[in-house]
Amino acid sequence: GQNIDQPTEMTATEGAIVQINCTYQTSGFNGLFWYQQHAGEAPTFLSYNVLDGLEEKGRFSSFLSRSKGYSYLLLKELQMKDSASYLCAPDRGSTLGRLYFGRGTQLTVWP
Amino acid sequence: NAGVTQTPKFQVLKTGQSMTLQCAQDMNHEYMSWYRQDPGMGLRLIHYSVGAGITDQGEVPNGYNVSRSTTEDFPLRLLSAAPSQTSVYFCASSYSTRGHGYTFGSGTRLTVV
Repeated sequence: GQNIDQPTEMTATEGAIVQINCTYQTSGFNGLFWYQQHAGEAPTFLSYNVLDGLEEKGRFSSFLSRSKGYSYLLLKELQMKDSASYLCAPDRGSTLGRLYFGRGTQLTVWP
Repeated sequence: NAGVTQTPKFQVLKTGQSMTLQCAQDMNHEYMSWYRQDPGMGLRLIHYSVGAGITDQGEVPNGYNVSRSTTEDFPLRLLSAAPSQTSVYFCASSYSTRGHGYTFGSGTRLTVV
């Protein structure tokens, strides 16, 4: 396995803030992707972090700590449409084009 | 641009049958990959390609073959279908520069009976 660890499920209410964590092996690390996948649909790209720190994109932010092998996705002002699976994918190794995903975190947003 | 196009969208096969899942992209992406997605297992990489004529195995390649004769097309062949290959299959493509996210096709839902 690729030792990518994410919580399986999370729940939150509309308007709240939720943080989805991801840990991974640090060897050969180049960057980290986050994807969103609604039920029955294809994954869509959210962010790619290369440097340590927080990057903000509207209601979604992504944080990276390369030394700790840790990232999180922060979703603010949650909306019902944010109910989806969130997939973490560390870009590791010298072989380009090969990308492994974590099992995803299923987020349910309640009214 | 159509993006990444997968056909068929749905398929039912009998055990032992063979078939090819088609994937085409019109974005001139160098990288293409095939994933399968099963409940609770996330996306698992089957095969990938970094350019025409170059393919390599991912984490679950057994039972599948690929070839990449053109930049645009990356078909996935099931040689002898088994019930364990019942899954949703996604094709994805990307530019070769690091940090470019993969664009996924809409998926093929395959059932092997």
